[in-house]
Amino acid sequence: LAKTTQPISMDSYEGQEVNITCSHNNIATNDYITWYQQFPSQGPRFIIQGYKTKVTNEVASLFIPADRKSSTLSLPRVSLSDTAVYYCLVGKKSSGDKLTFGTGTRLAVRP
Amino acid sequence: DAGVIQSPRHEVTEMGQEVTLRCKPISGHNSLFWYRQTMMRGLELLIYFNNNVPIDDSGMPEDRFSAKMPNASFSTLKIQPSEPRDSAVYFCASSPMDGSTEAFFGQGTRLTVV
Repeated sequence: LAKTTQPISMDSYEGQEVNITCSHNNIATNDYITWYQQFPSQGPRFIIQGYKTKVTNEVASLFIPADRKSSTLSLPRVSLSDTAVYYCLVGKKSSGDKLTFGTGTRLAVRP
Repeated sequence: DAGVIQSPRHEVTEMGQEVTLRCKPISGHNSLFWYRQTMMRGLELLIYFNNNVPIDDSGMPEDRFSAKMPNASFSTLKIQPSEPRDSAVYFCASSPMDGSTEAFFGQGTRLTVV
């Protein structure tokens, strides 16, 4: 399994764009990159998944460079409710694959 | 669908007692995961099942822990005997059959062993 490295914590202010970068130097050819969000006292929640280039949904964008050794989760115009822990996972896009969470990035959004 | 349902939400028990945590996955999902979360160790994968069959239990801490999935709609995680160091939030998650790695998590069971 490819190991991921993320910053332990980040701070931001409301209305700003937040970019969280994840390193995964040993990513395999058939691995996908998935991000989860976890609020206090709740289970993690899927945010976005991608393989290469850029993926965008109603919540976030995911940028993946050509070498795929890193990825960046971009949260546009964050609000206080985006304060959470964000996890980057790397693994096969197949039902039943082992989902291993790293330490995550604790994002604090201030007014 | 009501999502992944875990019970109980909170459990306080004395050291040495047996504890059983329950999980009902989302209907139609064929993968089920049990995680444990603590401040010190973060989110740890304990065991996961595909089509009711345990695939990887390498995360189960020791023989005191056991998990079963007798059918597609129910799973249990049992700790016998429980110890204070087992205190944590235990999450169950399920994943659909469409090839996505999107897993849906339950609200968790907060276990306190005193």
